[in-house]
Parts: sequence; C-alpha cells; structure tokens
Amino acid sequence: NAGVMQNPRHLVRRRGQEARLRCSPMKGHSHVYWYRQLPEEGLKFMVYLQKENIIDESGMPKERFSAEFPKEGPSILRIQQVVRGDSAAYFCASSPLRTSGGNTGELFFGEGSRLTVL
Amino acid sequence: AQKITQTQPGMFVQEKEAVTLDCTYDTSDQSYGLFWYKQPSSGEMIFLIYQGSYDEQNATEGRYSLNFQKARKSANLVISASQLGDSAMYFCAMRPNSGAGSYQLTFGKGTKLSVIP
Repeated sequence: NAGVMQNPRHLVRRRGQEARLRCSPMKGHSHVYWYRQLPEEGLKFMVYLQKENIIDESGMPKERFSAEFPKEGPSILRIQQVVRGDSAAYFCASSPLRTSGGNTGELFFGEGSRLTVL
Repeated sequence: AQKITQTQPGMFVQEKEAVTLDCTYDTSDQSYGLFWYKQPSSGEMIFLIYQGSYDEQNATEGRYSLNFQKARKSANLVISASQLGDSAMYFCAMRPNSGAGSYQLTFGKGTKLSVIP
C-alpha cells in the first residue's frame, strides 16, 4: 500500500497519559499536514511540516501538543497529559509539493487515528 | 480568513437519482481553490473534485460535477445516478492560492448523504 499510513488506527488513553500518533507520507512526498476532526465537525488544520522543519503550527494548541517530521522515519504528533477534549480523529495528509500557487494541491489523506481519552 | 458553510446536515436521495449538496464560502482572496471530499463510515478522506476560482468551466469527474457560481460564492456538488456506495459524509473545503494560509484547507461541517435503495 503506497498511500499515507497512519498508526495506530485507534488509541485509548486515560487522562494524563501521553498519546503518540505516527504518519508515514506517500512515497516521494516531503510535505506533511496534520488535521483534527472533532465529533460532528469538519477537519481543522493543525500543523504543516517538511522534513526537519515546522512550517506552520498556527492550528496547534499552545500547550501539550507537538509535532515533528525527522529526516528519517515518520511524522509524529504528540499529545502530552491528554484530556477528554482531545478525543478526536487525527488525520495526516501529504503532498509532493507545497500546496499553493494554483496547482490542484490535492492532499492525500491517511485513514486517521482515532484517539479516545477515558 | 475563510469560512465554509454547508447548510444541509443530512440528505436523502433515491438510488439512481441525482443529488445536489450545497456549499457556500466566504473569502477575501481573489484566487483560491475549492475541494470536495467524501468520508465513508470507515473514516478515510477521499478527494473527489477540485475547482479553481479562475476556472471558467465547471469541474467534472465522472459522476461528480461542481456547480461553481463565483458571484454567489457557491460551489455545490452534484452527484448523478446515485449509488448505494455514495452514502457517506461529504465535506466542502477551500484554500487560498497565496498568502499565509495557502496550504491550509478550511472545511465545512459536512453533509451526511444517505442513498435509499
């Protein structure tokens, strides 16, 4: 499967624990985006990364959330000290190019990681 | 800032009939892209169709077409000959083509489409 791979698909954590969500972009894609989908809502942008660089994290909560995309390995979205309000589906998307400038900029989404905080 | 409004929380359509899903948007940008995504019950996000703000013709992709009315700021999705597999959530989204938010998709809240046999 050459698509965007996210794991785990489902994650259950108790309040105060840490959640780590991983995303491997499509082969040849160097741009990764994380989106969050709360129940009954559309997706909301969180962060945009290139290899070893955070380009835009304007959608990330200021505390407890962090993201990285190392030179080797998948992108990681880390949520520390989870609270019930963090329960959501977290989607990763990738693109081969920066998605702007008039190209269709289709984002290829993974199947999402569903975090449940008890 | 961009805003997407999808006013239909849920829609029903008879199999083989056509259905229109509404989407209106608000933006101060002159150049932007409009997208529709499908999210079946399994959860993945599937890209359906794209319309650029300067495209003169409405986009079409198989049974999907986008009824783009720029002056009204609407980008409705038309699905022809509905199939049972079309039952899903449908999200309208947009992105400016330049500026600080040019890589951020803004999504609407979605419309749940149910196809009736």
